[in-house]
Amino acid sequence: AQSVTQPDIHITVSEGASLELRCNYSYGATPYLFWYVQSPGQGLQLLLKYFSGDTLVQGIKGFEAEFKRSQSSFNLRKPSVHWSDAAEYFCAVVRGSGGGADGLTFGKGTHLIIQP
Amino acid sequence: NAGVTQTPKFRVLKTGQSMTLLCAQDMNHEYMYWYRQDPGMGLRLIHYSVGEGTTAKGEVPDGYNVSRLKKQNFLLGLESAAPSQTSVYFCASGTGNTIYFGEGSWLTVV
Repeated sequence: AQSVTQPDIHITVSEGASLELRCNYSYGATPYLFWYVQSPGQGLQLLLKYFSGDTLVQGIKGFEAEFKRSQSSFNLRKPSVHWSDAAEYFCAVVRGSGGGADGLTFGKGTHLIIQP
Repeated sequence: NAGVTQTPKFRVLKTGQSMTLLCAQDMNHEYMYWYRQDPGMGLRLIHYSVGEGTTAKGEVPDGYNVSRLKKQNFLLGLESAAPSQTSVYFCASGTGNTIYFGEGSWLTVV
């Protein structure tokens, strides 16, 4: 079965510093991968997704992620964080082989704290 | 520009009571989902539907039932609520390559 591991439960970064959030997946074929962000009390917003092609994916809010098949990873990066980036971040992989019809399997999330 | 709308947003139930959460989407999506979110657990799929009149079990289906009588609506029912069902429930809809989430429904079972 597909699974997603986010090794870091909490990460603290200073405002203006760079950010990398880790995500490792387990999936038999080429995975469809996603990063979502959740602000307190809100729903999930899609940051970016990878299906195929260029392994470096650009998303919204200045985020990017790189798919590395050899490492089974899909890490999220941002060169300079802003206080408004403080949130919960979820990595997800498509369930099953139905092209996304069966929903997503999520990691447990990484809580990002921004220090002034 | 409603997207995915969930009602109610907040509810407190007593153990053994029943209730239904309603999800409505206005994007004509075939696929709809119900997830629950618990601290430290991420989101877990309860049930989903790949089209009107269809439903399927997700990772944590026990204690819940669903129905998709109309394409735009996906109902999640709790027949006999238990404290373990205290959670935040998210509905989502999508096309397969993108899934959009509602803002959540906070349910407390006492």
